[in-house]
Amino acid sequence: EVQLVESGGGVLQPGGSLRLSCAASGFPFSSYWMHWVRQAPGKGLVWVSRINSGGSITTYADSVRGRFTISRDNAKNTLYLQMNSLRAEDTAVYYCVRDLGPGDIWGQGTTLTVSS
Amino acid sequence: DIVMTQSPLSLPVTPGEPASISCRSSQSLLHSNGYTYLNWYLQKPGQSPQLLIHLGSNRASGVPDRFSGSGSRTDFTLKITRVEAEDVGVYYCMQALQTPITFGQGTRLEIK
Repeated sequence: EVQLVESGGGVLQPGGSLRLSCAASGFPFSSYWMHWVRQAPGKGLVWVSRINSGGSITTYADSVRGRFTISRDNAKNTLYLQMNSLRAEDTAVYYCVRDLGPGDIWGQGTTLTVSS
Repeated sequence: DIVMTQSPLSLPVTPGEPASISCRSSQSLLHSNGYTYLNWYLQKPGQSPQLLIHLGSNRASGVPDRFSGSGSRTDFTLKITRVEAEDVGVYYCMQALQTPITFGQGTRLEIK
């Protein structure tokens, strides 16, 4: 079964750091671009970052550039999002997504709450 | 950044009746390769988004044929020929022509 399972969410104070993980299974992970998309409580979808299949090309939304780092370990079939200098506005469900477009797959999401 | 604007934001529909959602982009989504990078998603209550339409008018695998996408360049429409109860949720358009990838605000479809 093709599947993406996110983990690592939690409750943090502003200024804190956290790493999200996304475990992929059921497809050749190393062949696909991957994305992170987030959704604040009661709000719409916001694209956060993407990484190419080999891990050499990364792109970020302005709101997270310089604070978040996307990476992947193709040997472990895992996508990561390292989040530093967290702000209250980073509070959201974070979705890992395979290749936004034909045949895209979304994980179930992991929740990050940033609050003092 | 490309701004995606949906209308209406709320859409009450009687089962069996048609529904239509508009999405406009602030610039053309037509790539030089001839493809139009516009997707439609449905997020059902409590679920992750699911792809309905890609490249403007191509139904994703498993999507019922009552869903159709049309439009070009900056004006796009998602149509449902006969709404069913399971179609409830929030519909999003999304452009993938350039980064940052951007979504519309979402249209909440509810059953009357």
